[in-house]
Amino acid sequence: QLQLVESGGGVGQPGRSLGLSCAASGFNFHSYTMHWVRQAPGKGLEWVASTSYDGTYNYYTKSVRGRFIISRDNFKDTLHLQMDSLRPEDTAVYYCAGSYVDNAVDAWGQGTLVTVSS
Amino acid sequence: DIQMTQSPASMSASVGDSVTINCRASRGISNNLAWFQQKPGKPPKSLIYSTSTLHNGVASRFSGSGSGTDFTLTISGLQPEDFAIYYCQQYDGYPITFGPGTRLE
Repeated sequence: QLQLVESGGGVGQPGRSLGLSCAASGFNFHSYTMHWVRQAPGKGLEWVASTSYDGTYNYYTKSVRGRFIISRDNFKDTLHLQMDSLRPEDTAVYYCAGSYVDNAVDAWGQGTLVTVSS
Repeated sequence: DIQMTQSPASMSASVGDSVTINCRASRGISNNLAWFQQKPGKPPKSLIYSTSTLHNGVASRFSGSGSGTDFTLTISGLQPEDFAIYYCQQYDGYPITFGPGTRLE
């Protein structure tokens, strides 16, 4: 059973850091392109970042480039998102997602809430 | 960046109706278009990829079509569990972008 479980959400202060993790199970994690997608309260879906199956290539949406780092550990089947210099507009539910064919997402985690507030 | 638009923004329908949701890309994206369903408080559910291919386990009443810049999601014979928000997404290139969503109520 394919499963993605996020952790690490919570409250972070503006300018500070938070780290998210996503534990994968039930599939060949190392064959999947992995993504972070977020959803601000009451808003639509926003792609945040992606990493290739081996972590060689990473891509970011403009608003987080230089502040967030996506990474993966294919030995531990885990995806990470290091979020630095947090802003109030980073407040959202962050979903971990995976794609086997191209970038077509076929797996989603349940999401973890990040709140940036002083 | 490729901008995605959806129409209508919201629509009302009844069980048994057939509905169509439209999605337009600001430039051609080949067939690299996906559809997702989301219910309140839940993660998105992947419905369709490559414009028209249903993910495993998705009911056959869902169908997708289109190419280039214009795409549609059709639900034939609405069921009570289909009332949700639907998002299209292009993955032809980075940045990946989503449409703003269509609320089906």
